[in-house]
Amino acid sequence: GNSVTQMEGPVTLSEEAFLTINCTYTATGYPSLFWYVQYPGEGLQLLLKATKADDKGSNKGFEATYRKETTSFHLEKGSVQVSDSAVYFCALRPYSGAGSYQLTFGKGTKLSVIP
Amino acid sequence: EAGVAQSPRYKIIEKRQSVAFWCNPISGHATLYWYQQILGQGPKLLIQFQNNGVVDDSQLPKDRFSAERLKGVDSTLKIQPAKLEDSAVYLCASSTPFVNTEAFFGQGTRLTVV
Repeated sequence: GNSVTQMEGPVTLSEEAFLTINCTYTATGYPSLFWYVQYPGEGLQLLLKATKADDKGSNKGFEATYRKETTSFHLEKGSVQVSDSAVYFCALRPYSGAGSYQLTFGKGTKLSVIP
Repeated sequence: EAGVAQSPRYKIIEKRQSVAFWCNPISGHATLYWYQQILGQGPKLLIQFQNNGVVDDSQLPKDRFSAERLKGVDSTLKIQPAKLEDSAVYLCASSTPFVNTEAFFGQGTRLTVV
């Protein structure tokens, strides 16, 4: 079956530090890959996505590259801010044609950025 | 554009009681999903609707959980009777039925069963 494994948290960084959150997946075929973010007290928001191998998703200074050879989709940001403190979820959607958005999520990684 | 609306935001019930959650998706979104997010875990899909029909309910514990979307718009998820392990955040999401669409999530209902 499909599964997503992401690094355990919590992760605590100082402001302007470099961030990497590792994510690897198991899936058949060619899934789409996503990073979602959940700020305190808010719902899940799509941060970035990639739909095929070697695609790079980017948003708000965050980047992740779809690596099929290593089945990975690691999230990176060059300089984190206090406002980036949140829980980050890696997720995949198996290819199933139009209309389906069934996501398999990792367990989430809590990031805390201190001034 | 209004987002996905869910209510209530919080609910505390005793085990063996029943509870219902409501979701109103974004206008025009034919596809609706209910996810269960247990503390410390990622969300898990419970059920997917396309208009008022069920597409996938393979992970819904049907002995105690039920969901409906009678008019193809808003949806209700019910638990009866609740167990302690049902304590979780219940997330509703909606999307359009097109390739490479995006799902939008509500803020969720946090259920505590005591």
